[in-house]
Amino acid sequence: NAGVTQTPKFRVLKTGQSMTLLCAQDMNHEYMYWYRQDPGMGLRLIHYSVGEGTTAKGEVPDGYNVSRLKKQNFLLGLESAAPSQTSVYFCASSWENYNEQFFGPGTRLTVL
Amino acid sequence: ELKVEQNPLFLSMQEGKNYTIYCNYSTTSDRLYWYRQDPGKSLESLFVLLSNGAVKQEGRLMASLDTKARLSTLHITAAVHDLSATYFCAVDSGSRLTFGEGTQLTVNP
Repeated sequence: NAGVTQTPKFRVLKTGQSMTLLCAQDMNHEYMYWYRQDPGMGLRLIHYSVGEGTTAKGEVPDGYNVSRLKKQNFLLGLESAAPSQTSVYFCASSWENYNEQFFGPGTRLTVL
Repeated sequence: ELKVEQNPLFLSMQEGKNYTIYCNYSTTSDRLYWYRQDPGKSLESLFVLLSNGAVKQEGRLMASLDTKARLSTLHITAAVHDLSATYFCAVDSGSRLTFGEGTQLTVNP
């Protein structure tokens, strides 16, 4: 039982490049989330999903897209990376109607 | 818009001392969560508080929730170095959580 996993763990991009972060969970959770964590700003919600095939915007969605084609996977895409997207990205998941969220190990992204 | 404020944001304390971290939030919610994050690591769930008056204890940490005052506290008893970490509260607003900025706790020998 791996819980929540994220791929990759580290990545360095150049401005304008694109990439996709993968989150997978094996707990059959309905809800999944992408956050970014920056020093002094806590965790900010980028996008989330309340079920397969559904997505919604969080606090800071600009510059990101997401997809939830399978219940266990939630993908976060950066189409044209910018230095302001340098951050640590966390994925989380939870059961429906019980929002204790379980977090993945994080992806440290640097955009040069 | 739900706002969650923690204080203090930074806390340096001596081993053996007691202290309380406060989490205030701006709109009605009956559910609140506390998380711990060690440097360079992910977030780990500590407490789940699901109703007014809820109190949970684990070792030297005790969390409580007062939904009428929109306040949760995380009390540390006889602190030890292993408790050094950043602690986040998060308020449930339906299908999502809003996190406080975090309290960075350092326990000194």
